[in-house]
Amino acid sequence: AQSVTQPDIHITVSEGASLELRCNYSYGATPYLFWYVQSPGQGLQLLLKYFSGDTLVQGIKGFEAEFKRSQSSFNLRKPSVHWSDAAEYFCAVGPYNTDKLIFGTGTRLQVFP
Amino acid sequence: GAVVSQHPSWVICKSGTSVKIECRSLDFQATTMFWYRQFPKQSLMLMATSNEGSKATYEQGVEKDKFLINHASLTLSTLTVTSAHPEDSSFYICSAREAGNQPQHFGDGTRLSIL
Repeated sequence: AQSVTQPDIHITVSEGASLELRCNYSYGATPYLFWYVQSPGQGLQLLLKYFSGDTLVQGIKGFEAEFKRSQSSFNLRKPSVHWSDAAEYFCAVGPYNTDKLIFGTGTRLQVFP
Repeated sequence: GAVVSQHPSWVICKSGTSVKIECRSLDFQATTMFWYRQFPKQSLMLMATSNEGSKATYEQGVEKDKFLINHASLTLSTLTVTSAHPEDSSFYICSAREAGNQPQHFGDGTRLSIL
């Protein structure tokens, strides 16, 4: 079955600390992988995407993610978190044409000053 | 670039009325648009996919007669919740993408509350 697992429901970090959000997927075909961020009461903003090529992907707002095929993972990282990064983060996987995205259940990030 | 505008952002209406939500791609041509529903503290559930000029494709379990989707142009899709009831209250989010393997870009969502 196709699925996306985000094991951490809620993560709390101090401002300036490093961050890693985990994402594991199960997908039958070549996966196209995405990370989105959602602020309260708003839609989703695309942080980064992986289609092919370099497995370390750079995104907006200083985020990066690494695709590891052997581990079926696409973890999101940021070296130094800012208070404005507090939000809900969703990992998603989809087919070539990016239709039928499968979303994880999300990880809520809380940042303490 | 790739801005999707969704309107209204919040609507409250009485049970039995119909509500229309608009989704517009402002700076690109959206060959495909998507409608999602999100319950509190949960992930997004795809309701339907629509291609410009074609009938929408609904996901299993989504009532197409209750959730009418129209994608009449390359920049506009509408979702009409017909004869809305309290159980239809939710956060509805649209997304749009250009042709090819382009990522989906999301609107800011519409919070629908049916009294």
